[in-house]
Amino acid sequence: NAGVTQTPKFRILKIGQSMTLQCTQDMNHNYMYWYRQDPGMGLKLIYYSVGAGITDKGEVPNGYNVSRSTTEDFPLRLELAAPSQTSVYFCASSYTPQQISGNTIYFGEGSWLTVV
Amino acid sequence: AQSVTQLGSHVSVSEGALVLLRCNYSSSVPPYLFWYVQYPNQGLQLLLKYTSAATLVKGINGFEAEFKKSETSFHLTKPSAHMSDAAEYFCAVTTGRRALTFGSGTRLQVQP
Repeated sequence: NAGVTQTPKFRILKIGQSMTLQCTQDMNHNYMYWYRQDPGMGLKLIYYSVGAGITDKGEVPNGYNVSRSTTEDFPLRLELAAPSQTSVYFCASSYTPQQISGNTIYFGEGSWLTVV
Repeated sequence: AQSVTQLGSHVSVSEGALVLLRCNYSSSVPPYLFWYVQYPNQGLQLLLKYTSAATLVKGINGFEAEFKKSETSFHLTKPSAHMSDAAEYFCAVTTGRRALTFGSGTRLQVQP
């Protein structure tokens, strides 16, 4: 099993450009998440999804959009890249919500994004 | 509300020495607590989790953590550090009503 796969691993964007971070999981998980990790900080939840067609905002959603057309895929869209979006982005998934019995979530390897 | 505080952004130990990484939580209801490890340029891996069963939780790679309600703590320990333990460690909490809240991380260095 591949688990959670993110692409690209590294990307440099110019201010104002747009891009999509791809995330796919092959574990048939209903729940998927996007986090960002800034230097010296913990992970902050950007968006999450509880199933195909259903998404909701997390702690830091501004400047991002998501969609969930299939169970497997949960892309994250940056429409107008800003330097403040320079970060490491992690996609994750879980079979049930994180908040039920402390269910384990599975993380991708991360996408390093630099906006210049 | 839920939050977690990791004391010490950097910890350095000698190989073979005790590892102690500190985590304190705040929660209005009984929490679920996690420790994750992140090796350079990799994603997070679950080390161990506390889900209201035994208060002493054993994880992978010889790590363990003890839930202490009176101290609102969930410190991570390992009796003898190995060079391969050098990584960043994150404590996380959920109360059952919200997604995980992560601490700011502790970078562990292991000196030969």
